[in-house]
Amino acid sequence: GNSVTQMEGPVTLSEEAFLTINCTYTATGYPSLFWYVQYPGEGLQLLLKATKADDKGSNKGFEATYRKETTSFHLEKGSVQVSDSAVYFCALSDRSDYKLSFGAGTTVTVRA
Amino acid sequence: DSGVTQTPKHLITATGQRVTLRCSPRSGDLSVYWYQQSLDQGLQFLIQYYNGEERAKGNILERFSAQQFPDLHSELNLSSLELGDSALYFCASSVAGQGGVETQYFGPGTRLLVL
Repeated sequence: GNSVTQMEGPVTLSEEAFLTINCTYTATGYPSLFWYVQYPGEGLQLLLKATKADDKGSNKGFEATYRKETTSFHLEKGSVQVSDSAVYFCALSDRSDYKLSFGAGTTVTVRA
Repeated sequence: DSGVTQTPKHLITATGQRVTLRCSPRSGDLSVYWYQQSLDQGLQFLIQYYNGEERAKGNILERFSAQQFPDLHSELNLSSLELGDSALYFCASSVAGQGGVETQYFGPGTRLLVL
C-alpha cells in the first residue's frame, strides 16, 4: 500500500534560517505529492503540489521537487519567518486510490 | 478560505451519545472526503462520497456512517461514542473525486471532545 514517512520533529529555528523537512514515500502506482500546512487552531491548507517526476512545486517561498529515483519530496524554504510556525504534512494521492495518505506531520517553530 | 465549510466548529458530548457533523463542499465539487486527526493515529481517511454515492472506505468504524445529499452536502454520523473518538474531523472536497492529480481542499474541521 501507499505510505509517507516524514521527519517528525519538532523543529525549532531562528528567523531567516533555512528549513528542510524530509519526506519519502512508498506507492504502488504513480502518485501525486502534496505538502499541506496546519497553522495553530486552523484546518489544513494546501501549500504546494507536484504531479510528475522532476516537477517542482512552489508557494510562499517554499519549494519541493518530486524525485522519483529517491522517492522523495523534501520541503525547503530559504529564509523562514515567525509566521511559518505550523505543522507541515507530506501527503500522496495515487491514481488508483482516492484518498490522501499523510505523513505524521512535522511541527516547526520559528523564533524571532 | 478553502470554500469548504464545516459545522459545528466544536462539539462536546458524553460517552454513548450520537453526534452529526456537517460539511458543505466547494461550489462545483462533486466529491467529499472525511478524515480523522487524532494524536495517536495521525490523519486517517475515513470515507469518500461522489455525487451522492459512496466511492471508497478507509478506516471507518462500524459505529460511524456518512451520507451525501442531493445538494452535495455531507454528514458524518458518529454513534455510541467512546473517549477514543475524541479527535478533529476534517471534511475535504474535490471536483471529480479522481485519485492522483486532483487537489483536495479541506474545511476548518470539527473538534469533537467525548467526556
